[in-house]
Amino acid sequence: AQKVTQAQTEISVVEKEDVTLDCVYETRDTTYYLFWYKQPPSGELVFLIRRNSFDEQNEISGRYSWNFQKSTSSFNFTITASQVVDSAVYFCALQEVDRDDKIIFGKGTRLHILP
Amino acid sequence: DTGVSQNPRHKITKRGQNVTFRCDPISEHNRLYWYRQTLGQGPEFLTYFQNEAQLEKSRLLSDRFSAERPKGSFSTLEIQRTEQGDSAMYLCASSLTIISRRDSYNEAFFGQGTRLTVV
Repeated sequence: AQKVTQAQTEISVVEKEDVTLDCVYETRDTTYYLFWYKQPPSGELVFLIRRNSFDEQNEISGRYSWNFQKSTSSFNFTITASQVVDSAVYFCALQEVDRDDKIIFGKGTRLHILP
Repeated sequence: DTGVSQNPRHKITKRGQNVTFRCDPISEHNRLYWYRQTLGQGPEFLTYFQNEAQLEKSRLLSDRFSAERPKGSFSTLEIQRTEQGDSAMYLCASSLTIISRRDSYNEAFFGQGTRLTVV
């Protein structure tokens, strides 16, 4: 069965520090997608990134970067030079490309960026 | 089209009452999903529709829950005889599935959710 584990329940860092959010997943499929979503206090889910299981290239987008390692089934997310506006709950998620396409979410990591 | 729309955004109801939420997906999206998110947890899958057909229901969806998508466009989620444990954010998502190919990608777009409080 598919599963997403975010071991860090809550993290606090001081502004401008770098922070890495961990994500480990389980799946029996060879084709799947991995996601990161941000959920600010307002509640909506904000899409950050999607990764295809066939593409292990790391990605950088501004202060955000993602490290996808199939060998360890991990898809970690790093925020460089964190800012107070980065404070939110971050969810890692997995989508197996079967007839359902439903997304399985981790429990989330609450990130506090302290000024 | 401004994305997936959910109404109401907030709902407070007394225990035992029935409530109904509505989701308007992105136009022409043929798949529609309902998720529930309780405090401190990630969203959990409830059910999904391919056009008007409800294809899967999670075990989380008790008999008091019913979802419909009568014309394959908007969907409603009804909870009968609400309980305090039903308090949660109910999220809707939609996607366009063209071909179920292993190498195709069907991005799901989420609405802003309906926050239900049962008192």
